[in-house]
Amino acid sequence: GAGVSQSPSNKVTEKGKDVELRCDPISGHTALYWYRQSLGQGLEFLIYFQGNSAPDKSGLPSDRFSAERTGGSVSTLTIQRTQQEDSAVYLCASSRDTRRITGELFFGEGSRLTVL
Amino acid sequence: EDQVTQSPEALRLQEGESSSLNCSYTVSGLRGLFWYRQDPGKGPEFLFTLYSAGEEKEKERLKATLTKKESFLHITAPKPEDSATYLCAVQAVNDMRFGAGTRLTVKP
Repeated sequence: GAGVSQSPSNKVTEKGKDVELRCDPISGHTALYWYRQSLGQGLEFLIYFQGNSAPDKSGLPSDRFSAERTGGSVSTLTIQRTQQEDSAVYLCASSRDTRRITGELFFGEGSRLTVL
Repeated sequence: EDQVTQSPEALRLQEGESSSLNCSYTVSGLRGLFWYRQDPGKGPEFLFTLYSAGEEKEKERLKATLTKKESFLHITAPKPEDSATYLCAVQAVNDMRFGAGTRLTVKP
């Protein structure tokens, strides 16, 4: 596609439910990143994929968070047993970099998650 | 620990009133410093990459500069459409870390 596509754009869920957030990166981009942005805060790094593998999972805040990427393209971020503190905008970005080096990240518009 | 601090948190300018945004950082093995612009409800949009102290990049009314400890984003004669949150990010060996941003408002 022309840009990074994320869905859903908005998700309201009840505490304890599981949610899945989807990211469709720009075609041909091998690197994919997930970030979390809370109100008034900077972007918090969650996880990075190079192809289908995730060499760096250090940013995932707890074992309730997991992510996968298939076919070197679409990625899914799953949050199990959601808590109110999980409420945030989840941003996905992709890059054509083949190594995790400096480069331009192309961001999607984010998925706003609200946990009641 | 790698840190990125942006100041001020918010800045209000009159149209045409030039100013600068600051990004100070402590990081081991800096590989690059990025500036992004973020409009409300949108993802960040890439502006500049700076790799080494002394480097400068320009785009329209924006100019980014880099020293060994900080970067400045200079805005010359801003217009209302420059209103946005400006984010700074640093790429270290194992991490890409963002600051909290400066929310810029330019009044006509």
